[in-house]
Amino acid sequence: ETGVTQTPRHLVMGMTNKKSLKCEQHLGHNAMYWYKQSAKKPLELMFVYSLEERVENNSVPSRFSPECPNSSHLFLHLHTLQPEDSALYLCASSQGFDRGNSPLHFGNGTRLTVT
Amino acid sequence: AQSVTQLGSHVSVSEGALVLLRCNYSSSVPPYLFWYVQYPNQGLQLLLKYTSAATLVKGINGFEAEFKKSETSFHLTKPSAHMSDAAEYFCALNTGGFKTIFGAGTRLFVKA
Repeated sequence: ETGVTQTPRHLVMGMTNKKSLKCEQHLGHNAMYWYKQSAKKPLELMFVYSLEERVENNSVPSRFSPECPNSSHLFLHLHTLQPEDSALYLCASSQGFDRGNSPLHFGNGTRLTVT
Repeated sequence: AQSVTQLGSHVSVSEGALVLLRCNYSSSVPPYLFWYVQYPNQGLQLLLKYTSAATLVKGINGFEAEFKKSETSFHLTKPSAHMSDAAEYFCALNTGGFKTIFGAGTRLFVKA
């Protein structure tokens, strides 16, 4: 496998469920990100990890809980979500970010529907 | 504060026609600029990036973009549209750090 892989591709969950999204990058990058993409809204940065340490939690509700066990894997744990959380969740990685010239490499996303 | 504005949420062209997608930016420091493309049911994919080496940047699939500091623009062009170019295109900016600022996106339609 190459690039950034996200599973599952689609997820339907009730408001009381607990589920997790998984992301794996095979690029040797040291930074990983979770983005939320909703219809008619700009791409929203949720979390950033650098070398497995969280460096940004962009005012995300606590019902979203990230985990980065190593530099290749990133999880997003979900619990008691709301219907407005339905969106495409994108994982991305980059080779550092200090200078800002490293592009993001995205996975194909998980389409989440909260019922 | 940095910002990115993409003019036109939808652009429609005929197959074989010129593609022009507009992006203007605001930044108090020299920016790094990117264009990404998103095909249906996929994530974003890098088309090209400007990192100050050259103002005319060539990317994948025949796309190119020109950095114009005086106009604070970074428009994306392709001489001849193909049906496979139909997608959503995002202009993005970074001035250092983990925050990449994305534009709202422009959806490109290609008519046969």
